[in-house]
Amino acid sequence: QKEVEQDPGPLSVPEGAIVSLNCTYSNSAFQYFMWYRQYSRKGPELLMYTYSSGNKEDGRFTAQVDKSSKYISLFIRDSQPSDSATYLCAMSVFGNEKLTFGTGTRLTIIP
Amino acid sequence: EPEVTQTPSHQVTQMGQEVILRCVPISNHLYFYWYRQILGQKVEFLVSFYNNEISEKSEIFDDQFSVERPDGSNFTLKIRSTKLEDSAMYFCASSHLGQGARTGELFFGEGSRLTVL
Repeated sequence: QKEVEQDPGPLSVPEGAIVSLNCTYSNSAFQYFMWYRQYSRKGPELLMYTYSSGNKEDGRFTAQVDKSSKYISLFIRDSQPSDSATYLCAMSVFGNEKLTFGTGTRLTIIP
Repeated sequence: EPEVTQTPSHQVTQMGQEVILRCVPISNHLYFYWYRQILGQKVEFLVSFYNNEISEKSEIFDDQFSVERPDGSNFTLKIRSTKLEDSAMYFCASSHLGQGARTGELFFGEGSRLTVL
């Protein structure tokens, strides 16, 4: 079983829709959870990070972590064409410098 | 806005050749990283570097690879005797306080694409 699993998509939704992106993981030592956005030919850019279970909201973005199910989600409300990108989940273990990434989900918002 | 810059943007090399990828991290950052992304695969951690030494490395980062901070601004990744499977996008990243792995506050460059023929 892979440490981090993420549906690669592609996922296409109409503008204004709510988008749900998910990752599952197997390593129960992961404590820090992040979502990165990566535009074509660019490096990943941090969107949100969370620690332990619960929700975190930032504007149109909500990150959810369920450690009991080893499942994390990113919700995008009122999606915009500019949200079209690849979304990467990433996670880490306390005390380690290494981030473990999912494969990324390619998202297209259709105007 | 400060950014991480990487050169070259694309390098083509012959198998067995040595390659040096260069990075200029954000100026007040203290922690530096290399990640790579093979086409169609996930971003993978290679190495982290702090205070002029490697702080953590992955199993990928074997004797073929080395990193160096030759002066106060550059951070390099050297790949000796390149193999076909080294073809990938290599991302440099930097972090101010080394909490990158906890907060995700890593600032990534745009990457150097390495093609090994």
